[in-house]
Amino acid sequence: QAGLTQPPSVSKGLRQTATLTCTGNSNNVGNQGAAWLQQHQGHPPKLLSYRNNNRPSGISERFSASRSGNTASLTITGLQPEDEADYYCSAWDSSLSAVVFGGGTKLTVL
Amino acid sequence: EVQLVESGGGLVQPGGSLRLSCAASGFTFSSYAMSWVRQAPGKGLEWVSAISGSGGSTYYADSVKGRFTISRDNSKNTLYLQMNSLRAEDTAVYYCAKDEEVVPAASIDYWGQGTLVTVSS
Repeated sequence: QAGLTQPPSVSKGLRQTATLTCTGNSNNVGNQGAAWLQQHQGHPPKLLSYRNNNRPSGISERFSASRSGNTASLTITGLQPEDEADYYCSAWDSSLSAVVFGGGTKLTVL
Repeated sequence: EVQLVESGGGLVQPGGSLRLSCAASGFTFSSYAMSWVRQAPGKGLEWVSAISGSGGSTYYADSVKGRFTISRDNSKNTLYLQMNSLRAEDTAVYYCAKDEEVVPAASIDYWGQGTLVTVSS
């Protein structure tokens, strides 16, 4: 099953802004939207954004999600050391009747 | 507080079987779809299977179709994954995960701590 496409790595400086992308197609991201997850080493993933771009309670306003066509984006403002983690996008693929994940982006905060 | 607690992982030989369980609490279990997601050592997340809130609809990744079976007992608030004909490439941490909707929508808002399955002779 084809997954979503994410850049393997992104590096940004402290207090800068990082924008992570997730590209799918009209059967998944373009149709259903994408959710965003954060995973620190050795821990389970944590939801940052529902597929309708809403944040769960307790998630910082520094994390915001959006979508344009078949590409979803996660913008993290005012980067902090604790933001260094792996970030995944996920979407429901209506053609495959399956959940598809991106390969993940490793965010490094310099 | 939502809690998902997996159990049943361990070491199994290739070709063997294992049954994972996930005890859920803190929410109305039957109102939400549930999924199993796995993560091989050092790799990304891979969706394995999902089931609707009623249990009437099930979905599988091609890599496990015909070998794994997902099920749920809403009276016991428990999710299961029966894994047969296990292969070395099934070695991973298996996470139990709750979706935000009654049918799978890939908006997984709660995750368990995971249980490790190792397939090796």
